[in-house]
Amino acid sequence: QKEVEQNSGPLSVPEGAIASLNCTYSDRVSQSFFWYRQYSGKSPELIMSIYSNGDKEDGRFTAQLNKASQYVSLLIRDSQPSDSATYLCAVKGSGYSTLTFGKGTMLLVSP
Amino acid sequence: DAGVIQSPRHEVTEMGQEVTLRCKPISGHDYLFWYRQTMMRGLELLIYFNNNVPIDDSGMPEDRFSAKMPNASFSTLKIQPSEPRDSAVYFCASTDDRGMWGNTEAFFGQGTRLTVV
Repeated sequence: QKEVEQNSGPLSVPEGAIASLNCTYSDRVSQSFFWYRQYSGKSPELIMSIYSNGDKEDGRFTAQLNKASQYVSLLIRDSQPSDSATYLCAVKGSGYSTLTFGKGTMLLVSP
Repeated sequence: DAGVIQSPRHEVTEMGQEVTLRCKPISGHDYLFWYRQTMMRGLELLIYFNNNVPIDDSGMPEDRFSAKMPNASFSTLKIQPSEPRDSAVYFCASTDDRGMWGNTEAFFGQGTRLTVV
């Protein structure tokens, strides 16, 4: 059984701070990792993907992957109230496979 | 493209009634997924189709749940009879081969919020 674990939160940060969201996964052969953002009452939308160990930056977002530790994280710099949402970590196995989602971490950014 | 389209957006029904949820995938996407989201269990994959054929239905919770995809542009998820514990948000998503190999994303519909009373 593939598992993806996230702290449910809420994670509360003040506006302008760095938010750090973490995710661990159980399947060692996982190859692709995704962060989805889900606003309340809305559908998940992809914000970052990462496939190799290390960091990947896109604007205010940085995804970090450590396959040896089976750990992936998302950093949000200069957090804004509009970043308040639930962030879902999703993991895909090797080759042709479906996504396994974590339960998500709720992020609250206060003005 | 209008994206993945689901209907209805909200459904309230009485226990024991049949419920049918509908989905139109993005044109050109040959993979379609049905997910269920609850606070307790998160986002769970129920079933997925490739080229209208069900590939993996191991996530379907019970025989009360069934899904069909009669053509490339339409799928249904049916619950008969419905029970209060089926209350959840049901999402449909679609992607193509690149998505299954992890090089692109799955696109989600807006979901159907089902309440069984």
